[in-house]
Amino acid sequence: AQSVTQLGSHVSVSEGALVLLRCNYSSSVPPYLFWYVQYPNQGLQLLLKYTSAATLVKGINGFEAEFKKSETSFHLTKPSAHMSDAAEYFCAVSEFDNTGNQFYFGTGTSLTVIP
Amino acid sequence: DAGVIQSPRHEVTEMGQEVTLRCKPISGHNSLFWYRQTMMRGLELLIYFNNNVPIDDSGMPEDRFSAKMPNASFSTLKIQPSEPRDSAVYFCASSFGGLGNEQFFGPGTRLTVL
Repeated sequence: AQSVTQLGSHVSVSEGALVLLRCNYSSSVPPYLFWYVQYPNQGLQLLLKYTSAATLVKGINGFEAEFKKSETSFHLTKPSAHMSDAAEYFCAVSEFDNTGNQFYFGTGTSLTVIP
Repeated sequence: DAGVIQSPRHEVTEMGQEVTLRCKPISGHNSLFWYRQTMMRGLELLIYFNNNVPIDDSGMPEDRFSAKMPNASFSTLKIQPSEPRDSAVYFCASSFGGLGNEQFFGPGTRLTVL
């Protein structure tokens, strides 16, 4: 069965500092991978997705993620944090198994940006 | 496009009452998903439809929950009778092509059962 692990339920960074949010998955085949962001009192919004093309994926708002098969990771980064980046971030995995298409969300990481 | 539309945005009801949540997916999308989000359990997929047909309802917590999709532009999630532990934010999402593709989320319905 597929699983998604987000290390660190809360991450705090200073404004202007590097943002690194970790995501690891377990799968016997390369899955589709997603990062979503949820701002307070809103639904989830897609940041970026990996679908077996380039391993470095660029998304909206300056975020990017790198698919590393050897590490089964898909960590999200942004070089310089802005106050507006404070939100909840979810990693998600989609794969096709013998029961059909499956989609799993991680438990989320809450990002706080300190002025 | 207006995006995924959910109504109501907020619902407060008393235990034992019937609650109906509504969702209008993005036009042209053929998959629809209902999620529940709580602090304790995070984001849970309750059920999803493909071409108006329920594909997987294994996430529906119990028989008190039911979902329908009578046509491509409308879905409901009903809780009858409601209980305080059902209090959560319920999201509807839609996509084209099923689980492997980007899901577009609605703003959610915040349900409080007293």
